[in-house]
Amino acid sequence: DTGVSQDPRHKITKRGQNVTFRCDPISEHNRLYWYRQTLGQGPEFLTYFQNEAQLEKSRLLSDRFSAERPKGSFSTLEIQRTEQGDSAMYLCASSLEGQVSYNEQFFGPGTRLTVL
Amino acid sequence: GNSVTQMEGPVTLSEEAFLTINCTYTATGYPSLFWYVQYPGEGLQLLLKATKADDKGSNKGFEATYRKETTSFHLEKGSVQVSDSAVYFCALTDNTGGFKTIFGAGTRLFVKA
Repeated sequence: DTGVSQDPRHKITKRGQNVTFRCDPISEHNRLYWYRQTLGQGPEFLTYFQNEAQLEKSRLLSDRFSAERPKGSFSTLEIQRTEQGDSAMYLCASSLEGQVSYNEQFFGPGTRLTVL
Repeated sequence: GNSVTQMEGPVTLSEEAFLTINCTYTATGYPSLFWYVQYPGEGLQLLLKATKADDKGSNKGFEATYRKETTSFHLEKGSVQVSDSAVYFCALTDNTGGFKTIFGAGTRLFVKA
């Protein structure tokens, strides 16, 4: 296994269009997270899945954002009616429940979204 | 709520200089603490971690000690190299529920030859 993968790596879209990103976690990891990172800032939590259940959503995740993890494996993040303020790096991470004492998350390379 | 504050950058050092990047946190319960590094054009990588008070995390010559009394997790390296130039993020994970990671804003380090 080569780690967390994300597709596409870059996406340029026009304002008002819908976009969808995919994340493939490390195969045995049951927790999956989405973060957003804007220039000069640290990543900000968006949402988190344990298996197929979405257990937490940030207030940053407006109604235009939806995330799924239908079979507890890969996940998709969709943004509808994109706005210029959505331009950011979208990061996916995964972790394995049960690791002793901590929750080490492994990050993918990210999808850089540019909304024109 | 939980939060992480780290020193603003950029930090510019000459090769072989001593590095300290300060990090303090606010958290309920007993979080795990992390330093992540992001090299130019690459993704986030875990640099080191500590899971309880007085633990020292270390990796690649970097060290940080989990200080509960001062709520700090400062990153140190005795002798930096040009290849250490990157952005460093301090982070915490609340292990009592949610498990999301809270990141600081990052500190950019430039090391000159």
